[in-house]
Amino acid sequence: GENVEQHPSTLSVQEGDSAVIKCTYSDSASNYFPWYKQELGKRPQLIIDIRSNVGEKKDQRIAVTLNKTAKHFSLHITETQPEDSAVYFCAASRFSGNTPLVFGKGTRLSVIA
Amino acid sequence: DAGVIQSPRHEVTEMGQEVTLRCKPISGHNSLFWYRQTMMRGLELLIYFNNNVPIDDSGMPEDRFSAKMPNASFSTLKIQPSEPRDSAVYFCASSPTSFGQFFGPGTRLTVL
Repeated sequence: GENVEQHPSTLSVQEGDSAVIKCTYSDSASNYFPWYKQELGKRPQLIIDIRSNVGEKKDQRIAVTLNKTAKHFSLHITETQPEDSAVYFCAASRFSGNTPLVFGKGTRLSVIA
Repeated sequence: DAGVIQSPRHEVTEMGQEVTLRCKPISGHNSLFWYRQTMMRGLELLIYFNNNVPIDDSGMPEDRFSAKMPNASFSTLKIQPSEPRDSAVYFCASSPTSFGQFFGPGTRLTVL
């Protein structure tokens, strides 16, 4: 089955700097890669996703890149703000909506003001 | 849109008791997923349904766990009998066919 590895497990950045979180996956049939943000005590919230027919997607300060050959994808957050502090999870699945997600272990991002 | 609704939000029970968690998916979503989150194991799938039909329950830990989806707007996850190692946050998520999954607020279960 699918296995998703996520690095780093913790990340501290100064406010205004960029943050990068990286994930690798094992199942070459996976073609949907969402990212979730989870604040303490809250639900995971979908912040951006990418499908295998696209190499990069951007939404304001966040962007995701995908390298299907190497089977890795990354989340980039620019101009970080204190409210970006949270745990971020990457995930992978074979289809976008109706198949289960396999999650990475999460990255705890701390943005220091 | 109210989003995915879960109840109860918190549940504290004693070992051996039956626990029932409830979920109402977003209207129009045809897939429903039950995930469990713990510090040790992270987010892991328990079971999922497409069009109210259970598709894969291989993530259900053992026979003490069962799940049903009697109609498109309601699902339950039952643990009987509960054990301390079942303590976790249980999330329900729903999804339309070709878009991402949206999570409910979760149920924090504590089994003493």
